[in-house]
Amino acid sequence: SQKIEQNSEALNIQEGKTATLTCNYTNYSPAYLQWYRQDPGRGPVFLLLIRENEKEKRKERLKVTFDTTLKQSLFHITASQPADSATYLCALDQGNTGFQKLVFGTGTRLLVSP
Amino acid sequence: GAGVSQSPSNKVTEKGKDVELRCDPISGHTALYWYRQRLGQGLEFLIYFQGNSAPDKSGLPSDRFSAERTGESVSTLTIQRTQQEDSAVYLCASSLEGLASLQYFGAGTRLSVL
Repeated sequence: SQKIEQNSEALNIQEGKTATLTCNYTNYSPAYLQWYRQDPGRGPVFLLLIRENEKEKRKERLKVTFDTTLKQSLFHITASQPADSATYLCALDQGNTGFQKLVFGTGTRLLVSP
Repeated sequence: GAGVSQSPSNKVTEKGKDVELRCDPISGHTALYWYRQRLGQGLEFLIYFQGNSAPDKSGLPSDRFSAERTGESVSTLTIQRTQQEDSAVYLCASSLEGLASLQYFGAGTRLSVL
């Protein structure tokens, strides 16, 4: 069956450290993968998109990798800050559908302590 | 408007009543999506509108759910004869036409069915 898995347990790290979140998928062949941030009571906010032919993408303190062999994406936040505390969702397209029907993971909650 | 607007922000209803949720997408965005997010869960795709094409209703969970969109503007999601399992946050998103466009989300409508 098709699955997108993100660690359901919250990730607790100390301010200044690098946070690494994992997104694994099964039985999908996505053309691209997106990462979103969701704060309590708010809708998700787009952060980064990485295509299947890209190994790595960076934006400021954020870095995303995409390994289509391992069927995995890693999301890194360097020099983390308490303001980075939120739930992070990965989403991938179902491929060959002609439109962006995204499938979302359940998200991983990140808590950055001062 | 500046972002995707959803109303109401909260809706409490009694089991068996009908509810109507509204979404105002970003001006100029041709694609519009509805998702459902149950507590602690990921986003569940419901329906997608793209321009004048027939909507993709493949995610609607039952015939009690329906949605309409007027041109490339407002959309309404209607749930008839609500059930307790319909309780969730209903999120709307819009995007520009084209592949790999990122989605902009509203804050959602929190529906509670008593």
